[in-house]
Amino acid sequence: AQSVTQLDSHVSVSEGTPVLLRCNYSSSYSPSLFWYVQHPNKGLQLLLKYTSAATLVKGINGFEAEFKKSETSFHLTKPSAHMSDAAEYFCVVRFMDTGRRALTFGSGTRLQVQP
Amino acid sequence: GAGVSQTPSNKVTEKGKYVELRCDPISGHTALYWYRQSLGQGPEFLIYFQGTGAADDSGLPNDRFFAVRPEGSVSTLKIQRTERGDSAVYLCASSLRGDRANSPLHFGNGTRLTVT
Repeated sequence: AQSVTQLDSHVSVSEGTPVLLRCNYSSSYSPSLFWYVQHPNKGLQLLLKYTSAATLVKGINGFEAEFKKSETSFHLTKPSAHMSDAAEYFCVVRFMDTGRRALTFGSGTRLQVQP
Repeated sequence: GAGVSQTPSNKVTEKGKYVELRCDPISGHTALYWYRQSLGQGPEFLIYFQGTGAADDSGLPNDRFFAVRPEGSVSTLKIQRTERGDSAVYLCASSLRGDRANSPLHFGNGTRLTVT
C-alpha cells in the first residue's frame, strides 16, 4: 500500500542547533516528493521539491532534503535552527504509479525552537 | 502576482444548512485541488479538477459534498446538510500543470468552516 509517514509528531531543538525532520514513504515506483511548511494561521508554503535531477535538494530558508531510494526516505534538514522556523512541516508525496495527480500529505511534524 | 484566493476566510453555519466555499486560483493554472484539514492533522484530498472537469473526486467523503469549476477557473465547493463533523479548514490549491509529476501546488489560506 502507498503511504507517507512522518516519524515524529513533535521535534524540539534549541536555536542554532541542527534540525532533522524524518519522512518515509511506501511506493512501488519513485514518487514525486515535496516538503511544505505551515506557520500558525498562515497558508501552506512550498519549501522544496525533489525533481530527480539531484538527490540532495536545496529549498528556501536554508532547508535541504535528501532523497534516498534504498531507504525510501526524504528527510528534511537545516544546519542551524532559527526561532522563525517554528511551524508545522509536512512531507508530501505524489504517487506516480496510480495515475493519481493529487498530493498525499503526511501527518505533520511540529517543530519547536527553544531560545 | 496574486496567489490563490479563498472566500470567505471564516464561515459559521448551523447543522443542516447548505454552504458554498469559493476558490480563485492563480491565473493560468489549469489544475485545481480541494483539501480538508482537521485540527492537528495533515490536509486530506477531496477533489481535483483539470480544466473544467473533475479528474479525480475519490476523496469526497459522501454525496453531501460537491464541487464545480464551470469555466475552468473559479471553483466552488458545496456542502449540503452540514454536520458538526464537517467543521475543518477547507484548502484550495492550484498548479500550472496537473499532469506534471513535479508541478507543486500553491495553496490559499483556507476557509475555516464551523458547524454549530
